[in-house]
Amino acid sequence: SYVLTQPPSVSVAPGQTARITCGGNNIGSKSVHWYQQKPGQAPVLVVYDDSDRPSGIPERFSGSNSGNTATLTISRVEAGDEADYYCQVWDSGSDHPHVVFGGGTKLTVL
Amino acid sequence: QITLKESGPTLVKPTQTLTLTCTFSGFSLSTSGVGVGWIRQPPGKALEWLALIYWDDDKRYSPSLKSRLTITKDTSKNQVVLTMTNMDPVDTATYYCAHMAAFYFDSWGQGTLVTVSS
Repeated sequence: SYVLTQPPSVSVAPGQTARITCGGNNIGSKSVHWYQQKPGQAPVLVVYDDSDRPSGIPERFSGSNSGNTATLTISRVEAGDEADYYCQVWDSGSDHPHVVFGGGTKLTVL
Repeated sequence: QITLKESGPTLVKPTQTLTLTCTFSGFSLSTSGVGVGWIRQPPGKALEWLALIYWDDDKRYSPSLKSRLTITKDTSKNQVVLTMTNMDPVDTATYYCAHMAAFYFDSWGQGTLVTVSS
């Protein structure tokens, strides 16, 4: 089964840029989607198809995907961005294609 | 506007079968390309995808839980039902249903916490 690997935690000062990675075998050949989850809340889609943003998501959120690593970049980080972030792909390579989530990354705003 | 809401028991005993219902509005599960999925999250842990059902009744299951899961839909009632057999305390989690567009979940329910305990 396809595995997505995320760092458990990332810390960044306000106003700086946060980069959260999602590693997977040849992940660049897949579409990667990112979710933000704040404590006690349901996840919210912040980036889909590697780099597209749903309506209402600030331009500060961007994504890229190449080789074995996808990256969620949050520019000009704000205190309100502190949350858990999850990457997700559709594993079409197996006999039974299915959804895969990464283990999540806790973003701490210092 | 798409909304989804999960309902079901908050407490189940070990070995029992869990039945959760997702009631949604703002879309139809008879529309081509539309799907509804179930995802769970144990307290303090990561998201885990469970199952997915499409407009054409195609169903997908987590490989690790496939033997215990069944997902069905009732298009006329705008509902999707997930059953999970042989519940164990490790299945204690918040269970979410979500709308799937293409291959991502763009709208989520608020979640429902299910505790497995005798």
